[in-house]
Amino acid sequence: DIQMTQSPSSLSASVGDRVTITCRASQGIVNYLAWYQQKPGKVPKLLIYAASTLQSGVPSRFSGSGSGTDFTLTISSLQPEDVATYYCQKYSSAPLTFGGGTKVEIK
Amino acid sequence: EVQLVQSGAEVKKPGESLKISCKGSGYSFTSYWIGWVRQMPGKGLEWMGIIYPGDSDTRYSPSFQGQVTISADKSINTAYLQWSSLKASDTAMYYCARALGYCSGGRCPSDYWGQGTLVTVSS
Repeated sequence: DIQMTQSPSSLSASVGDRVTITCRASQGIVNYLAWYQQKPGKVPKLLIYAASTLQSGVPSRFSGSGSGTDFTLTISSLQPEDVATYYCQKYSSAPLTFGGGTKVEIK
Repeated sequence: EVQLVQSGAEVKKPGESLKISCKGSGYSFTSYWIGWVRQMPGKGLEWMGIIYPGDSDTRYSPSFQGQVTISADKSINTAYLQWSSLKASDTAMYYCARALGYCSGGRCPSDYWGQGTLVTVSS
């Protein structure tokens, strides 16, 4: 099975900072990659799919890029409401594995 | 409005059986795959498997194959996740989630999620 590795596992940044999270697949997955945001005590929310397509209603400060094995989620200007854990998920084939998550906090 | 409403929290003893549910509304239930995701306390998301209610085509993660059963009753727009013999390690929050759009073999991200069902297994 393809493994998904996220880095870092956690980060702390200031409001307004640019934040980048990386997700690496153990084999190529073309662009079958999604990003989710899970706020504390809440249900996961789809942010991005097909590596770079913003889900409807998601703020434009979120963006995704990459293809093959290396992907990034970028928050262009971190806001207090972005405190959450972010997960990547590959869906090129079953099992639709999630990455381990990246916890984002405000410094 | 698309909604997935899951059954309520459960407290069970090791060895007991359990079936939790996820009722879809606001869309064509038989046309979208529904998956199940586990989240153990303080841990990340784990994909368990997925079902297409239209024909009950089901795919499992190797980690969960044989440990759980995923099913659906399209007559009442409900998907299920069941265990025949619970273990303490099954204690977790379980989410159902609808696949985004048409997908071949369930290979899609999930756009709508249920509120979660907390399962606690303790003697």
